[in-house]
Parts: sequence; structure tokens; C-alpha cells
Amino acid sequence: AQSVTQLGSHVSVSEGALVLLRCNYSSSVPPYLFWYVQYPNQGLQLLLKYTTGATLVKGINGFEAEFKKSETSFHLTKPSAHMSDAAEYFCAVSDVEGSNFGNEKLTFGTGTRLTIIP
Amino acid sequence: EAGVTQFPSHSVIEKGQTVTLRCDPISGHDNLYWYRRVMGKEIKFLLHFVKESKQDESGMPNNRFLAERTGGTYSTLKVQPAELEDSGVYFCASSRGLAGDIFDTQYFGPGTRLTVL
Repeated sequence: AQSVTQLGSHVSVSEGALVLLRCNYSSSVPPYLFWYVQYPNQGLQLLLKYTTGATLVKGINGFEAEFKKSETSFHLTKPSAHMSDAAEYFCAVSDVEGSNFGNEKLTFGTGTRLTIIP
Repeated sequence: EAGVTQFPSHSVIEKGQTVTLRCDPISGHDNLYWYRRVMGKEIKFLLHFVKESKQDESGMPNNRFLAERTGGTYSTLKVQPAELEDSGVYFCASSRGLAGDIFDTQYFGPGTRLTVL
């Protein structure tokens, strides 16, 4: 069974500082990894995803994440935080097996709420 | 293009009552998913439709939950009778389901916050 661990349910950073949100996963097969963001009163929005190929993935709003197989990690970073980045962030892994080809159900972490300090 | 919509946005009911949640996916999306987030915990998969057929319902908690997707369009999730532990936010997501593309993005709705008293 797959699982996702997000270290830190709440993270606060100063405006302009580096944002680092941690995500570790466990998977018995090569994973497909995702970061979603939820702004207040909105649905989850895909920030970026890793499937195959380049391990450094760039997403929207200046975010990027690096897949490190040896560390089973997919940490999310942004060089300079902006007030508009305040939201809840979710790391997820997809469950893609031969018997469920096309079933992309997602396994999520518990989320990290990011607060930006002016 | 309209996104995934869910109705109602909030629902407060008493234990033992029935509630029906509705999800309208993005037009043309064959895949429809239901997820649930209980307070402070992770978002958990409930079930997956491909058009009108249930592809995977392994996440459904028990037989008090019934999901349907009439005609492969909108979907409903009925909880009958509701229990206290059913409280949470219910999310719906949809994806196109392109042939050969198993990494199609899931687009999420804003969720329905269900409170059972």
C-alpha cells in the first residue's frame, strides 16, 4: 500500500523567504507524484506533477519539486514567498497498477498549511 | 470552461438523517472521483466512476454510502443514515480519461462540508 507523509502540518515563512514543504512517500512501484494547493473556499488545484523523465519539475506560481528516489522524497520549494502563497498544500501519489490501468486514484498526505508573515 | 461544481457547499444534519451530495464534473470528462477529508486528516479516496460504471469503490466506508452517476454525467453521493463520523469535507474530481494517458490531471471541486450533529 502506498502512503504519503508531509512533515509539518503548519509552516510559517516570511515574505520573500524560501518556501520548503516536505513530502516523503512509500510505494512498491515507481510512483507518480503530485502537489496540489487549496486556497480558501476553492477546490484543489494542481501545482505540478512528476511522472517520468526529468526529476526536477516546475509548476505554476514559481513552485518546483524534485523527485529523489533514493530519499523517497518529493519536496516542494519556491525561492521567494509571496503573500498570495498562503494556502494549504497537499502532496499525493497515484496508484497505477496493471489491473487498474487508468485508475488514477490519489493517495494524499495530511496537508501543510502555509502562512506568510509580512 | 466551467470547472467541477458541487452542491451544496455546506450541509448540517442530525444523526440518522439522509443527505445527498451532488457533483457536476467538467463536461466531457469520463472519469469522476469522490474523496473525503475528515477533520485534520488526509484526503481519502472513496470511489471512481468511468462514465456511468463504478470502476473502483474500495474506499467506500460502509453500505450507508451510495454513489450513482446517471447517464455518465453528474454524480450523487447519498449517506443514509448519517452518523457522527461521516462529518468532513467531500471532494469530487474529474478527468478526461484519454486513451493511453494514465496521468491525466484530476480537477477538483470546492467540496461539500458535511456536519452531522
